[in-house]
Amino acid sequence: QVQLQESGPGLVKPSQTLSLTCNVSGGSMNSDDSYWSWIRQPPGKGLEWIGYIFYSGSTYYNPSLKSRLSISVDTSKNQFSLKLTSVTAADTAMYYCARNWVGHPFDIWGQGTMVTVSS
Amino acid sequence: IQLTQSPSFLSASLGDRVTITCRASQGISSYLAWYQQKPGKAPKLLISAASTLQSGVPARFSGSGSGTEFTLTISSLQPEDFATYYCQQFNSYPFTFGPGTKVDI
Repeated sequence: QVQLQESGPGLVKPSQTLSLTCNVSGGSMNSDDSYWSWIRQPPGKGLEWIGYIFYSGSTYYNPSLKSRLSISVDTSKNQFSLKLTSVTAADTAMYYCARNWVGHPFDIWGQGTMVTVSS
Repeated sequence: IQLTQSPSFLSASLGDRVTITCRASQGISSYLAWYQQKPGKAPKLLISAASTLQSGVPARFSGSGSGTEFTLTISSLQPEDFATYYCQQFNSYPFTFGPGTKVDI
């Protein structure tokens, strides 16, 4: 059973870079039919899909974040990572990693990690 | 693709039949999912492809619709069903979610 676990700093200063990692266990990321995504949820608000990466390294980013966003994968460690630059208070959110099969919604989610942007 | 949900808040009692509506700004065929989220927890996938119940999800949950209008129905509300429900389209990227419907007592 595939499980996902997010990790990273809980506090980031404004204008700095937010960096998170999602560790995948119980299965390999090297799958032709899985996409690995980041999703966030500001406190008390709804869900926003950030972007995905395929095991080959191909990515698709939400246009609203594209200029500040980078998602990478390390298949040798079975993990993928998020970098979001020039953060502001608006980037304060619970960040989730999730998996979806091609053509399907998100069936596996990490527990989430809260990131606060504050000086 | 924008998704809207109605109502945004729903007050109900145990045993009630509850219906939540999700509308898409353009046709998405049946590429719609429903999630349940409880406080402090990650969303849980309930229904995929508009009406396909995920394994382990109680049969009191059902989904219907296609194109631009979809519904999630809980036939008899149970204590563990009080939560926030989100729809999500997976017809095209960027994937988008509805704003959520909070079901409260």
